[in-house]
Amino acid sequence: DQQVKQNSPSLSVQEGRISILNCDYTNSMFDYFLWYKKYPAEGPTFLISISSIKDKNEDGRFTVFLNKSAKHLSLHIVPSQPGDSAVYFCAASGVLYNQGGKLIFGQGTELSVKP
Amino acid sequence: DTGVSQDPRHKITKRGQNVTFRCDPISEHNRLYWYRQTLGQGPEFLTYFQNEAQLEKSRLLSDRFSAERPKGSFSTLEIQRTEQGDSAMYLCASSYRTSGGPTDTQYFGPGTRLTVL
Repeated sequence: DQQVKQNSPSLSVQEGRISILNCDYTNSMFDYFLWYKKYPAEGPTFLISISSIKDKNEDGRFTVFLNKSAKHLSLHIVPSQPGDSAVYFCAASGVLYNQGGKLIFGQGTELSVKP
Repeated sequence: DTGVSQDPRHKITKRGQNVTFRCDPISEHNRLYWYRQTLGQGPEFLTYFQNEAQLEKSRLLSDRFSAERPKGSFSTLEIQRTEQGDSAMYLCASSYRTSGGPTDTQYFGPGTRLTVL
């Protein structure tokens, strides 16, 4: 079963506009969520995370929003830049879910930012 | 520096051969994870170590797969009798986690791309 879902395989945005990437999860035991960015032939690069005790976390152009009641999180990139073009993965974990801390990933959304 | 490094970056092998990959984590990190990623999917957890102890293995990790972290530093992942279905990107990640502490952030290496012919 897919516990973390990214339902949009791709997203195209104009440079300077906002990119919004979405992620849904099913397991209410998750309490920590992360976004990673991945370029082809490279490993995922950590972008930003959020704990379930918060509903928003911001780091520069990147903001993650968490809606626990809807089991939904989103990543906002403002303003979008061509260098942001990559595949973005949402991941979830939690102390209560599993002590090992393994991450459960979504399938990824490919973001294309056009100049 | 230092981030997580993996060697080799690419490996092409024939079906039935054994292959071994190495991962060097960030030096102060006590946890080391292995994931596998196939095309169009997110990474899937394989196994993890806390220091030298292997504490969890996914059911994805068949008997042909073995991982070690002998001194709690670098780790190796060996695949015996490779099959075409083993073709994937093998990713290593590391983190620092205190006992009873909050979930940690994992930092990934560049991965090893395995192609089984």
